[in-house]
Amino acid sequence: KNQVEQSPQSLIILEGKNCTLQCNYTVSPFSNLRWYKQDTGRGPVSLTIMTFSENTKSNGRYTATLDADTKQSSLHITASQLSDSASYICVVTIGGLTGGGNKLTFGTGTQLKVEL
Amino acid sequence: DVKVTQSSRYLVKRTGEKVFLECVQDMDHENMFWYRQDPGLGLRLIYFSYDVKMKEKGDIPEGYSVSREKKERFSLILESASTNQTSMYLCASSISGISYEQYFGPGTRLTVT
Repeated sequence: KNQVEQSPQSLIILEGKNCTLQCNYTVSPFSNLRWYKQDTGRGPVSLTIMTFSENTKSNGRYTATLDADTKQSSLHITASQLSDSASYICVVTIGGLTGGGNKLTFGTGTQLKVEL
Repeated sequence: DVKVTQSSRYLVKRTGEKVFLECVQDMDHENMFWYRQDPGLGLRLIYFSYDVKMKEKGDIPEGYSVSREKKERFSLILESASTNQTSMYLCASSISGISYEQYFGPGTRLTVT
């Protein structure tokens, strides 16, 4: 069964600190992995995308890593800000299929809160 | 910038009512999707459409129907709303092709009483 598991479920950190969120997946065949940020009451917004051959991708203070052998990804946030408070969702795209439709498997997200 | 808009941010309906949720995208995307999001369950696909008048069931289509009469508009219909359909509903759109990003709307928080 295709699954995406994220940890921790929730996290509280102080402003300025770094943190790392984890994503393990069992999706096969694998096409790509995205990290989305979802602010409270808003739709998710893509932060990074990585394909099989990429093992790291940065977007400002966000750095995602991918280990396709162990089927693990992480999202590292550097020098956190209050505006980083959000849910971070790991999404894996299933490969080898044609047409449109449901090729995505979503994790349940990590709820991050950054405090002063 | 891609813009996906949803007709309502918050909606309160009574059990048994027929409910329409509308989604509009302005980027000429072929694919459109309806998800619901519940705590601890992540996003689950209800229906998707890859072309005008085309629709396919997602993972949880029971109790829902959809309509896509124009490329930019995708409607989700709850024929007879029930309390277990209280949820956050998210619409998304994308270019055709599995690697392309899905762009999400702001969501509609539906409460059925």
